[in-house]
Amino acid sequence: QIQVVQSGDEVKKPGASVKVSCKASGYIFNRFAMNWVRQAPGQGLEWVGGINPYNGDTKYAQTLEGRVTMTTDTSTSTAYMELRSLKSDDTAIYYCAKGLSGSLFSYMDVWGKGTTVTVSS
Amino acid sequence: QSVLTQPPSASGTPGQGVIISCSGTSSNIGSSSVNWYQQLPGTAPKILIYSVSQRPSGVPDRFTGSKSGTSASLAISGLQSEDEADYFCSSWDHSLNGWVFGGGTKVTVL
Repeated sequence: QIQVVQSGDEVKKPGASVKVSCKASGYIFNRFAMNWVRQAPGQGLEWVGGINPYNGDTKYAQTLEGRVTMTTDTSTSTAYMELRSLKSDDTAIYYCAKGLSGSLFSYMDVWGKGTTVTVSS
Repeated sequence: QSVLTQPPSASGTPGQGVIISCSGTSSNIGSSSVNWYQQLPGTAPKILIYSVSQRPSGVPDRFTGSKSGTSASLAISGLQSEDEADYFCSSWDHSLNGWVFGGGTKVTVL
């Protein structure tokens, strides 16, 4: 079945970087977009950005532009999200979510279980 | 502050219905489709309604989505205890060039 499995929880200090992975299985990886969505404790959902694995096109949330980079490794069907210059406000659960198609305009139909990133001194 | 506006909570007794509103602008709901996600306690979100009113396979027809102008709604009829969850609306925003979400509505079955 289609699933996306995320890497383990992370604890980072302010100013550090974190790289979260998301390994896909059960479908042709480079035919479907991969989005990243985060959820701060007790808060709503915030789109971080997305990538088209076929051509590497990315879109990032304007509030995170310059600090976030999304990449993919099609040989291992894995997507990555790196966030730099971490602040306490970046503490959240980070979800990867597969798009219904290669376009980032399609809704997210399969979600990972989430990776908790805690930023604390 | 979320781009889309939802009421923070809604409630009903088993069997009753609730309606959750989602208000946006011409740059998102007014010019894009709307999706709804359900998040059960302690779990990842799950797609509930896509393209305003379409239900993925397995979603009961008790869940109905609609849209008018710059607002959308999710109606849940025949409330059941397993419907207790947070519900989020979402739409593509052409000005921000990205997905935007509502703040979420917590549905409680009394």
